[in-house]
Amino acid sequence: EAGVTQFPSHSVIEKGQTVTLRCDPISGHDNLYWYRRVMGKEIKFLLHFVKESKQDESGMPNNRFLAERTGGTYSTLKVQPAELEDSGVYFCASSQVPKELHSGANVLTFGAGSRLTVL
Amino acid sequence: TQLLEQSPQFLSIQEGENLTVYCNSSSVFSSLQWYRQEPGEGPVLLVTVVTGGEVKKLKRLTFQFGDARKDSSLHITAAQPGDTGLYLCADTGGFKTIFGAGTRLFVKA
Repeated sequence: EAGVTQFPSHSVIEKGQTVTLRCDPISGHDNLYWYRRVMGKEIKFLLHFVKESKQDESGMPNNRFLAERTGGTYSTLKVQPAELEDSGVYFCASSQVPKELHSGANVLTFGAGSRLTVL
Repeated sequence: TQLLEQSPQFLSIQEGENLTVYCNSSSVFSSLQWYRQEPGEGPVLLVTVVTGGEVKKLKRLTFQFGDARKDSSLHITAAQPGDTGLYLCADTGGFKTIFGAGTRLFVKA
């Protein structure tokens, strides 16, 4: 099966511009997540979709970030206007509702990430 | 907020050597996972462990979960250049996964 696909792989923009990142999850995966790693830090949760609904967006840094998943298929993450501190690698992941969830384990398949550089 | 501390941060060894990396949590794990990430790729799940004291093996990799479920170790036997990468521990309670900063391993041929 095809994996999680992210586009673009790298984006370089000026402070104040807008960037939209796209994620295509594994077909049939209702759960879609966005994570981010900024330089030298750990990967941090941004938000979680179940189909087209935002289940948890507690990790979104501020209102300059907008995530959508219209139709419950692919998702976009828009940053507007971008700031220097938004630079980092944005990962998308997807999962089915795992049978292991009763034990608390969620199995994520990650995309290769979109590297964002804000100058 | 749970914090996962991984050590060492960086490790460079010769092919054939053994190594152990560690992960310590500020609170009890819900479910511990280890991932490996290679340059330009996303993290790839290696193993999930749930029970305290559990040991799992994946070829030359041995994962151990502490009895108190607050720490874990990953041991690699006879490391190979293909083991090079960033090793991440994570706690996945429910749908939100918390990651450590990782141990970056470089295995020289």
